[in-house]
Amino acid sequence: DSGVTQTPKHLITATGQRVTLRCSPRSGDLSVYWYQQSLDQGLQFLIQYYNGEERAKGNILERFSAQQFPDLHSELNLSSLELGDSALYFCASSVGGLRELFFGEGSRLTVL
Amino acid sequence: AQKVTQAQTEISVVEKEDVTLDCVYETRDTTYYLFWYKQPPSGELVFLIRRNSFDEQNEISGRYSWNFQKSTSSFNFTITASQVVDSAVYFCALRGVIQGAQKLVFGQGTRLTINP
Repeated sequence: DSGVTQTPKHLITATGQRVTLRCSPRSGDLSVYWYQQSLDQGLQFLIQYYNGEERAKGNILERFSAQQFPDLHSELNLSSLELGDSALYFCASSVGGLRELFFGEGSRLTVL
Repeated sequence: AQKVTQAQTEISVVEKEDVTLDCVYETRDTTYYLFWYKQPPSGELVFLIRRNSFDEQNEISGRYSWNFQKSTSSFNFTITASQVVDSAVYFCALRGVIQGAQKLVFGQGTRLTINP
C-alpha cells in the first residue's frame, strides 16, 4: 500500500460527458502528480501541483483540468470525453525535490 | 530533452533463470535521479529503487540488483533466479529538472513474463 488513495477505481461513461477523479496523497507529501497510461502512449505526465499551486504541466489536453485543495487532495477533471481518453489515470505524491513518487492504484476510465 | 529508452519490449524466460532489463537515458542535467517501478497485472505502480546521479555504486536487494553506469547512460536491472511472481511490466524512469520543473519521465516499459 503506497498510501496514495484514488477514487473511483473504475469508471465507465459516454462520449461527451465529464468526470472527476480524486486523489489523496500520502500524509506529509505536498506534491501531487497526475499521469495517464494508455496502451499506445505509455505513461504520460499530465500535471503537477505543489502545496496548492500548479508547478509543471505536461501533455495535458485543454479539456482536462486539475487542482489541489488546501487539504492537499487533488482532483483531475476530464470533460467532453472522447473514446481516446480511455486510459488508466494515476495520481502520485512525493515529499518534494527529486525524491521518488508513490503512486495510487489508478482510476481506470472507459469511454464508450 | 530528457528521454528514457527501454529497448526490450517483452522478455520471456523460464523460472529460475536470471534476466536483465536494460535502460538507457538521456539528460543534460548534472543532478538527476533514476528509478525503477514495477507494474504487476493488478495495475498499480510499485516503487523499487531510486539512484542519484552522483552515486554509481551498484545496489543489491535480495534477488534484485541494479547496475548504474554513467559512462554509458545506463541503469540496468537484473533479477536473479526469477520467479513467476516477478512477472510484470517494469518501467525505468528519470527525474531531473526540465525548465524549472522536476518531472518524472518514464520509458515505455518492458513486459517480463516468467514461465513455470
